[in-house]
Order: sequence, then C-alpha cells, then structure tokens
Amino acid sequence: TQLLEQSPQFLSIQEGENLTVYCNSSSVFSSLQWYRQEPGEGPVLLVTVVTGGEVKKLKRLTFQFGDARKDSSLHITAAQTGDTGLYLCAGYKGSARQLTFGSGTQLTVLP
Amino acid sequence: KAGVTQTPRYLIKTRGQQVTLSCSPISGHRSVSWYQQTPGQGLQFLFEYFSETQRNKGNFPGRFSGRQFSNSRSEMNVSTLELGDSALYLCASAWGQETQYFGPGTRLLVL
Repeated sequence: TQLLEQSPQFLSIQEGENLTVYCNSSSVFSSLQWYRQEPGEGPVLLVTVVTGGEVKKLKRLTFQFGDARKDSSLHITAAQTGDTGLYLCAGYKGSARQLTFGSGTQLTVLP
Repeated sequence: KAGVTQTPRYLIKTRGQQVTLSCSPISGHRSVSWYQQTPGQGLQFLFEYFSETQRNKGNFPGRFSGRQFSNSRSEMNVSTLELGDSALYLCASAWGQETQYFGPGTRLLVL
C-alpha cells in the first residue's frame, strides 16, 4: 500500500491545455515535495511546501498543500511539450529522514 | 558545483552475483540516501548515511547494504542478486534536513 497515492497515473494532453495532478494520503506530512523525472535521469526538485494551505507558483506550475497537510496538487497552465515527464510527489513524515514517494504521474504533452 | 555523480551508469549481472554501486555527493553534502526505482513499486527508500553512520533504513532485506566514507562518498552493495533486483538505483545527497539532490542513477539489469 502506497502512503502517497497519485492520480492520474497517466495523462496525455495537447499542448496548451491545463491539467491537475493529485497527491493524497491518510497520513500527515511535515512537508511535501514535487519532483519531475525525465528518462535516464534522476528526479529534479520542483518545489517544497511546508505550511498547510500553502500555495506556491513556479511560472506556469501552481502547487498547493492541503490544510491538513495530507494532500497536495500540482496544476499546470497551458502545458508545453517540455513539461513531459514523470511527476512525483514525496514527503517526510514528522522528523523521519525517510522520503516517501508517490507512485508518480506520467505526463505526455503532445504538440 | 558539480552535481551528484553515480557510477557505473549501467550494469548487467547474473543471478547470484553481487554488485557494488558508487555515489559521489555534491561537495559539502554529508547526507547520502539511496533509493530503488522499479515500474511496479516506484521509488523506495533503501537507507541514509550521515557522517559515515547509517541514520535510517528502509524495508529491504539484509542483502542490501551500504557504507559511507570520510569524504562522504557512498557505496551500496547487493549480494546474491535476484531477478527482482533489476531496477534504477538512485542516490541523493543533502546538506541539511530538507532538499535532496538526486544523481542520474545506476540502471542494474539482473539476468
């Protein structure tokens, strides 16, 4: 059983469309991180959210941390082909140094 | 600064053999974590080392072990390889408590 459930698992959209990826858990996380991973590479950190209800924007990407710090979402506006990749949410529970990853969302943006 | 480097990038072994993977963290980073990534299980935490001491351990059998040297470089070893050990092995380094920076990974194929 995954501690962090991501949905959808796969997403294929046209360039210019908007999309939202969800990361849900029944557990509270002290922080949640979003990564993007491209084939043959390691995950690259996009953002860290720490405070419940926090919203962070990174150009066309908007990240939100749930009020109860159990869930998060990633919204991409006007997707571009360069956004294609595996999006992973990950979190630390309490003071534990063990990073728990979600199952990932494979995003394909078609030209 | 140079990023996290992992060697080798690709490796083919047969069942029963053992393998050693190497990770050089970003200069100044003292924490090194190892993860296993497979299509079925996603990214799973193996262990974390800090100042040559294993600080956290994931839920993997004893065949998986690691160590860290005084220069923070780390190695992980898998003994008596099984087919299911085929995976991308990722190393991540961190300076403090939060952001982990991932290397490109070592892709291990067990035949």
